[in-house]
Amino acid sequence: EVQLVESGGGLVQPGGSLRLSCAASGFTFSDHYMDWVRQAPGKGLEWVGRARNKVNSYTTEYAASVKGRFTISRDDSKNSLYLQMNSLKTEDTALYYCVRRYGLGRMDVWGQGTTVTVSS
Amino acid sequence: DIQLTQSPTFLSASAGDRVTITCRASQGISSSLAWYQQKPGKAPKLLIYAASTLQSGVPSRFSGSGSGTEFTLTISSLQPEDFATYHCQQLQIYPLTFGPGTKVEIK
Repeated sequence: EVQLVESGGGLVQPGGSLRLSCAASGFTFSDHYMDWVRQAPGKGLEWVGRARNKVNSYTTEYAASVKGRFTISRDDSKNSLYLQMNSLKTEDTALYYCVRRYGLGRMDVWGQGTTVTVSS
Repeated sequence: DIQLTQSPTFLSASAGDRVTITCRASQGISSSLAWYQQKPGKAPKLLIYAASTLQSGVPSRFSGSGSGTEFTLTISSLQPEDFATYHCQQLQIYPLTFGPGTKVEIK
């Protein structure tokens, strides 16, 4: 079964850091670009960023709202994706989803999400 | 950034109704548009990609059309399990962006 399982969410104070993980199973993780998408409580979906695969030099893309504060990385040997979040703000409070990109223009597998709450 | 707008924001309909949701992009995105369904407390589910290609396992009552700046998602005969929020997403240009969502509720 193709599956993505996020972990690492929690309560953190403004200005703090948190590292999210996403464990992939059931498919060849190294073949795929992987994304993070978040959803603030009661709000719509917001794309956070992307990590490309080895063929594309593991390059990354970010939303302007997180660029310079968040870093996406991956460890293909562990079938894992990471989101390092620094200088957290209250507006980063959201459910964070790990998502697989399958080919061009298709984000087809989503994890169940992990909740990040930034509050003093 | 490419802005996506959806109309309507909210839709009240009955089972068996034909429902159409529109997504408009602030600039042309070719056919790089996807539609997702999201139920409360659940992750989004991919319905349509490349504007009109049905994702495997998605019922054929769902269809998508459009290119450039205007796109539609149609549910030909609304079923009880279709009451949910629908999101469009453009995958043409970074940053990828989503529409604000359309909530489909039972009349």
